[in-house]
Amino acid sequence: GAVVSQHPSWVICKSGTSVKIECRSLDFQATTMFWYRQFPKQSLMLMATSNEGSKATYEQGVEKDKFLINHASLTLSTLTVTSAHPEDSSFYICGGGERGSFTDTQYFGPGTRLTVL
Amino acid sequence: GDSVTQMEGPVTLSEEAFLTINCTYTATGYPSLFWYVQYPGEGLQLLLKATKADDKGSNKGFEATYRKETTSFHLEKGSVQVSDSAVYFCALTLYNQGGKLIFGQGTELSVKP
Repeated sequence: GAVVSQHPSWVICKSGTSVKIECRSLDFQATTMFWYRQFPKQSLMLMATSNEGSKATYEQGVEKDKFLINHASLTLSTLTVTSAHPEDSSFYICGGGERGSFTDTQYFGPGTRLTVL
Repeated sequence: GDSVTQMEGPVTLSEEAFLTINCTYTATGYPSLFWYVQYPGEGLQLLLKATKADDKGSNKGFEATYRKETTSFHLEKGSVQVSDSAVYFCALTLYNQGGKLIFGQGTELSVKP
């Protein structure tokens, strides 16, 4: 299957700082990238959808000024958590959409564990 | 709205036991259906998928059949191994939703030797 990488795999930062998470599709062109947040023992919550070269579409309740998403190329999307606070601590996962004939299959990165102190 | 419901976990089985994880869905259109697996501390891996009614997805001994009449996509494996211990997510996507996945709540599987 297609491979998606995320960097960093984990990060610890102080409250008030910003953190950037990179998501790369290594062997396919991801025209769409999805960003999810996952709390312990819970399912994935879609935060936003980004299409290459256009603004991201945020799900209801997600602050677009706090979670900045950039999808500047077909192989790279970034999520920046601005002015992070302890409640932003979570597991963030990106998914790259690969276009098929009748459906879209998503391939996920390994995730980034963010801890805000 | 569109949704996916999975059986609650955790599910605990002995090695070589038969596994079934139930998944049912509600969708306004004709969804594609997926099973993803998440090992501890990792992201999700696509396990199998089916794109139309009566399709059977299979991979690594796991199978699931797209049943339109019962709106189900149950995951089965004839003989589980300790290495199958993970969280399994059932999900759907609709063609006109740009690939957006709707996930079930996940089912944790623990296989004991």
